[in-house]
Amino acid sequence: DAGVIQSPRHEVTEMGQEVTLRCKPISGHDYLFWYRQTMMRGLELLIYFNNNVPIDDSGMPEDRFSAKMPNASFSTLKIQPSEPRDSAVYFCASRGPNSPLHFGNGTRLTVT
Amino acid sequence: SQQGEEDPQALSIQEGENATMNCSYKTSINNLQWYRQNSGRGLVHLILIRSNEREKHSGRLRVTLDTSKKSSSLLITASRAADTASYFCATGGLTGGGNKLTFGTGTQLKVEL
Repeated sequence: DAGVIQSPRHEVTEMGQEVTLRCKPISGHDYLFWYRQTMMRGLELLIYFNNNVPIDDSGMPEDRFSAKMPNASFSTLKIQPSEPRDSAVYFCASRGPNSPLHFGNGTRLTVT
Repeated sequence: SQQGEEDPQALSIQEGENATMNCSYKTSINNLQWYRQNSGRGLVHLILIRSNEREKHSGRLRVTLDTSKKSSSLLITASRAADTASYFCATGGLTGGGNKLTFGTGTQLKVEL
């Protein structure tokens, strides 16, 4: 089991550019979560999916953020346009029935 | 906003000593979980305690839960240098099937040789 795989590990971009973060959950897991971690706000849940369907996106900060899960093995989080305040570590996590969250190693995003 | 607050924010101990971290939360919960995060890595699940449980053990870990005080503690016995990490409590609420985990602010533990 390779665990939750996120790419890229690091992303540096300029303000106004589009950023796409990618996640491959653990096979067989039916829940997928996107979290953001900053020093100021800690870990925040942005959105989660169940069986590829978005269930709760109330944590998505604004319309510049969007997330998709076209199939059970892939999800994206897109920021367009990006802003410096979006700089953070973005984590993807998945879980199966009666299992805890399994986190990827995150994408460190820096927007200059 | 964050549900949990960990105390202390940082803790430094010698190898072999015990480490105790505390977590307080605000609303009723379905369960409380503890996670560890090594520098530059994702969080790793350690242990889950349900709202109707008061104490749980797993290896060198002991977790207690006091729902009347809305608090939990994590005890790591006989600490090792490899235990150096940040530790977070996370609460699962009564709605949403407990899927909306809310994480605390974390305790940075440093275990020195």
